[in-house]
Amino acid sequence: NAGVTQTPKFQVLKTGQSMTLQCAQDMNHEYMSWYRQDPGMGLRLIHYSVGAGITDQGEVPNGYNVSRSTTEDFPLRLLSAAPSQTSVYFCASRSAGGLNEQFFGPGTRLTVL
Amino acid sequence: DAKTTQPNSMESNEEEPVHLPCNHSTISGTDYIHWYRQLPSQGPEYVIHGLTSNVNNRMASLAIAEDRKSSTLILHRATLRDAAVYYCILRDSVSGATNKLIFGTGTLLAVQP
Repeated sequence: NAGVTQTPKFQVLKTGQSMTLQCAQDMNHEYMSWYRQDPGMGLRLIHYSVGAGITDQGEVPNGYNVSRSTTEDFPLRLLSAAPSQTSVYFCASRSAGGLNEQFFGPGTRLTVL
Repeated sequence: DAKTTQPNSMESNEEEPVHLPCNHSTISGTDYIHWYRQLPSQGPEYVIHGLTSNVNNRMASLAIAEDRKSSTLILHRATLRDAAVYYCILRDSVSGATNKLIFGTGTLLAVQP
């Protein structure tokens, strides 16, 4: 199993540009999440999904959209990039039921100029 | 969500035990104690979790105080590969289904050869 994969690994955007961060998992997990991590800080939840077709907001959802059309994929869209969105983005997944461990992807490092 | 308090940093020598403390004085009866760690330039990875009793797995041990207001992650023999940021996280067994992990700033563990 590849686990949780994210693309791209690095991205530089100009203010106002849009882009989609890709996340995929091959473990048939129901739950998927997006986090962002700013320098010297812990991770903060952006959006999450408990299954295909179901998404909800986390702590810091503004400026981001998500959709979950399949179990495997959970893309994160930046609608109009801002310098405040410069961060490292992590996708995670876990199986449903109880408090099963989360599996994290390797991250996407995004810089907005 | 109940909060946790951890030291900002700790140092250890290679092949010696490491005790990483975590205070969670406002823990509720339904909160599980989870530990994740984040190696440099990687996503977090699950280490261990517990509710009341001490727990052991191949990576570490978790010692939970009788009043559950504190816990200690124990690495029995630190290696250079254990250098990471360690996060102590409380997850409500009821609302935990929302997949929400609240990360603090964690403890940066340095391991000296």
